Parts: sequence; structure tokens; C-alpha cells
Amino acid sequence: SQQGEEDPQALSIQEGENATMNCSYKTSINNLQWYRQNSGRGLVHLILIRSNEREKHSGRLRVTLDTSKKSSSLLITASRAADTASYFCATDDSWGKLQFGAGTQVVVTP
Amino acid sequence: EAQVTQNPRYLITVTGKKLTVTCSQNMNHEYMSWYRQDPGLGLRQIYYSMNVEVTDKGDVPEGYKVSRKEKRNFPLILESPSPNQTSLYFCASSFGKGDTQYFGPGTRLTVL
Repeated sequence: SQQGEEDPQALSIQEGENATMNCSYKTSINNLQWYRQNSGRGLVHLILIRSNEREKHSGRLRVTLDTSKKSSSLLITASRAADTASYFCATDDSWGKLQFGAGTQVVVTP
Repeated sequence: EAQVTQNPRYLITVTGKKLTVTCSQNMNHEYMSWYRQDPGLGLRQIYYSMNVEVTDKGDVPEGYKVSRKEKRNFPLILESPSPNQTSLYFCASSFGKGDTQYFGPGTRLTVL
């Protein structure tokens, strides 16, 4: 079964709006990462947040982590058409296994 | 240029015909991994390797083999491919487990 589950499955917004997506996971983690994938291409790393961190920023990206609720959120502010992609969270366990969620498809219209 | 390369990028084959997908990285990464991506299921880890001669099963290892004889290479072997292995495959590498994964461009495999 998948460790990470993203919500919503799909999101459609207009340029300039903020996009928020959530990731929930089931077991204890070391790190949680967010990746972006443009259609059919390899995933690109966005941000990594460690289990002892609560919030992290990178440019227009803001990630939060709540280990008590086993959840994380990714916020993209002032979205652009180029942000159109699928976004995945990934968690790793102590043994080295990495698990991805099914992803959130984001469409940003001009 | 730091990168992960995969070959071939596209492959159409028939049931039972052994095939190998190669993966190579030039970043001196210790951790390498194979994933398959299917619609609605996201990426599922097939096998991973934390160093040379060390490999472990991911979530969906059945029907696949891997080897890690050199640090830079991590081939994926399908001894007897079946149609349910039709998928998009990605190789990735990182310095260590849990670190940023660098993904290859993907291999689209169709098994008839």
C-alpha cells in the first residue's frame, strides 16, 4: 500500500492564485520530500523537510509538516502557467525504502 | 553535467523475452533505485540499493531483478516480461537514503 496520499487528486486554478495540496502518510518517517513532474518526464525535486522541522520555504513554495497528524502541505503562491504539473510527496523509512503518493495534478490557466 | 541516464528510452517487446534496462549516474551517489509509474498509482519502488553489492526489495519487486556491481550502474532486468509489466520506469539516485533523488528521463516499456 502507498505510504503517501495526496489530496486533492486534481486542482485547477488561475494564474496568480495560490495552490495548496496535502499529503498524509501512515508510519514514522525520517524525511518528507515534494517532487514535481511534467507530463511523462522524470521527477524534479522541490523541497525536503526533516521530521524535526515544521515549516520550510523555497522561493514561492512553502511546506509544512505535522508529524502528530502524519501530514504535510505544499503551498505554491502566485501560481504561473509553468507550475502546471503533477506534484508528489515521498517519505522514507529507517531501512531506506522510499514511498511516493499518487500525486496531485495541478492545472494553472492564464 | 550531473545526470542519471537510462537506456533504452522506449521499448516494445513480447512476453517472455528477457530484457535489461540500464541506468547510470555520474554523481558518485551511493543510493540508487528503480520505480514504475502507472496511471492513478503514482510511483512504486521496485528495488533499491544503498551501496555496491547491497540491494533490497521495494514495494513491487516481483518479476524484476537488479544488480549493483559498480557504484555508477544499476540495471533492471526482466527475465520473463509479462503484459502487466507494461509501464513507465524511472531510475533515480541520491547521496544517501532519504536524500534528494535525481531522476532519469524514464523508459516506456510495452510488453505485448
